[in-house]
Amino acid sequence: QVQLVESGGGLVKPGGSLRLSCAASGFTFSDYYMSWIRQAPGKGLEWVSNIRGSGSTIFSADSVKGRFTISRDNAKNSLYLQMNSLRPGDTAVYYCARFRGFCTGGTCYSNYFDYWGQGTLVTVSS
Amino acid sequence: QSALTQPPSASGSPGQSVTISCTGTSSDVGGYNYVSWYQQHPGKAPKLMIYEVNKRPSGVPDRFSGSKSGNTASLIVSGLQAEDEADYYCSSYAGSYSLVFGGGTKLTVL
Repeated sequence: QVQLVESGGGLVKPGGSLRLSCAASGFTFSDYYMSWIRQAPGKGLEWVSNIRGSGSTIFSADSVKGRFTISRDNAKNSLYLQMNSLRPGDTAVYYCARFRGFCTGGTCYSNYFDYWGQGTLVTVSS
Repeated sequence: QSALTQPPSASGSPGQSVTISCTGTSSDVGGYNYVSWYQQHPGKAPKLMIYEVNKRPSGVPDRFSGSKSGNTASLIVSGLQAEDEADYYCSSYAGSYSLVFGGGTKLTVL
């Protein structure tokens, strides 16, 4: 069965950095796009970033461009999110999710998340 | 990208039907048939309920259905059950390789 397990969350000061990890199992990891989605306390969901199965293509929300970097290690079946220049507004539970879709020719098709991890909490506060 | 608009709350009695709307623009909901819906119980991860407007993953009861008209998508829950009480979020492809979620709707089973 598909399992996604996030780790690496915690308390960090504004301006600091943190690296989240997501361990995947139960499917051929390299065949799928993967995503990070976050949810601020008591708020809705916000898409953060997608990465192609090969790792060759990355798409990110404007709110995190230049600060957050998604990456993956297919040999370790792992997804990562490097978060730099953190702000209090980045405080959220960060979910790793399997993305069903593919992107080519200027657009993406299907576009949904079929499996989600349980999330890891990131708190940015002084 | 602006969040899609959902009503903050919806409610219905057991056995009744309830519809949750998700309004966007021609750049997201209206421009693509890539609307999905997620159910989230308190403290839990979201669960996929509907994808590509009206397709249901295996294991999701057929009481859940989806539709779209213009810039507004809808999730219909028929035959409401107590376990349907949860937050529901819509999502849509928004062009330029981006995705956008709605603000969420809290469904209460009276």
